[in-house]
Amino acid sequence: EPEVTQTPSHQVTQMGQEVILRCVPISNHLYFYWYRQILGQKVEFLVSFYNNEISEKSEIFDDQFSVERPDGSNFTLKIRSTKLEDSAMYFCASSGTGSGETQYFGPGTRLLVL
Amino acid sequence: DQQVKQNSPSLSVQEGRISILNCDYTNSMFDYFLWYKKYPAEGPTFLISISSIKDKNEDGRFTVFLNKSAKHLSLHIVPSQPGDSAVYFCAASASNFGNEKLTFGTGTRLTIIP
Repeated sequence: EPEVTQTPSHQVTQMGQEVILRCVPISNHLYFYWYRQILGQKVEFLVSFYNNEISEKSEIFDDQFSVERPDGSNFTLKIRSTKLEDSAMYFCASSGTGSGETQYFGPGTRLLVL
Repeated sequence: DQQVKQNSPSLSVQEGRISILNCDYTNSMFDYFLWYKKYPAEGPTFLISISSIKDKNEDGRFTVFLNKSAKHLSLHIVPSQPGDSAVYFCAASASNFGNEKLTFGTGTRLTIIP
């Protein structure tokens, strides 16, 4: 069964450093998303992406964040200058194009900013 | 801004009995609802969804009921099995075309007692 994959599974970085989280969405999906879950809190929407551009972004997704689909398979989230409060699980999701399409999530990347 | 609320943080049910998880929402624009199951250190796994034009959707042991007037939905699992022990998230979106952000509840931790 097709699945969303994410790398790395864990990332530890120093405050102020740049990190890139990578995702490979399900191959025939057209819509891509990033969500995050801070420990003990709910899953929060960050950004959605379609046709090589951002469809919607939350207020969390400030200028420190960017997304890219550099090739036909990868979808990346970059945090330019990490802050302590960026520590969270980051989930990538993808969905198809038909009516009622469900978003399928990857296993997540646990980011720890020290 | 809790547009999707799961008021029970935890629930324990005997194996073989029915598990009922509840979810309330406040945004009248929501028209598509989903339940996800999540194990620790994994991404949310899609379980079942329902469109606002329906009041019930069933898939095997899982049934979701939607009461639009009360802005309430519930997930019934029967019979409950030990493998159902996980955190269950209710999520909602303002479109059922699969390209709208999901708003999640805070989750209910379900424990099935053998």
